[in-house]
Amino acid sequence: GENVEQHPSTLSVQEGDSAVIKCTYSDSASNYFPWYKQELGKRPQLIIDIRSNVGEKKDQRIAVTLNKTAKHFSLHITETQPEDSAVYFCAASTPSGGYNKLIFGAGTRLAVHP
Amino acid sequence: KAGVTQTPRYLIKTRGQQVTLSCSPISGHRSVSWYQQTPGQGLQFLFEYFSETQRNKGNFPGRFSGRQFSNSRSEMNVSTLELGDSALYLCASSWGVIGTEWMDEKLFFGSGTQLSVL
Repeated sequence: GENVEQHPSTLSVQEGDSAVIKCTYSDSASNYFPWYKQELGKRPQLIIDIRSNVGEKKDQRIAVTLNKTAKHFSLHITETQPEDSAVYFCAASTPSGGYNKLIFGAGTRLAVHP
Repeated sequence: KAGVTQTPRYLIKTRGQQVTLSCSPISGHRSVSWYQQTPGQGLQFLFEYFSETQRNKGNFPGRFSGRQFSNSRSEMNVSTLELGDSALYLCASSWGVIGTEWMDEKLFFGSGTQLSVL
């Protein structure tokens, strides 16, 4: 069945460093890949997304890359700041019963130390 | 515009009981999805409703069910509660169908209902 694997499960960086989170998906028909950020005690919020017809997308300090051949996509955060500390979830939209459903990875807890 | 509202915020139940959770989507949103969040397991997809029809469901037992009303509000029900059902249940609304490029697929999450089964 559909599956999204996310690595690492925890990531600790110093302020100003870069952080990279990687995800792989199983269904080659997946065509939409969003990333959600969940701060402690808050609801998940979309931070960036990418469609299968694009290889890379950037929004200020965050970027996402997609490799459809290898079925993996990554989140890159540059110049990390303490407010980037949160749990990040990747997801892949996978076809099911004529419609698509969003399957999430297990999450990466990012800690940015001042 | 009001965000996604989930009630109640907290619930404590005992094994064997049943529970109903409610979700009011953002006005105009017709799609409501439900997720179970547990530490280390991420967000597990339960089901998705669109215009009162369940269009997708995850790999959960039949004890988990849901419905959507004509005003797009949705409820999920868990019968015969088990200890392992303790989790944060999140609902999310969106304009349309995930995967269709001509509709906005961004999910807006509610704050969730924290269910504890004793």
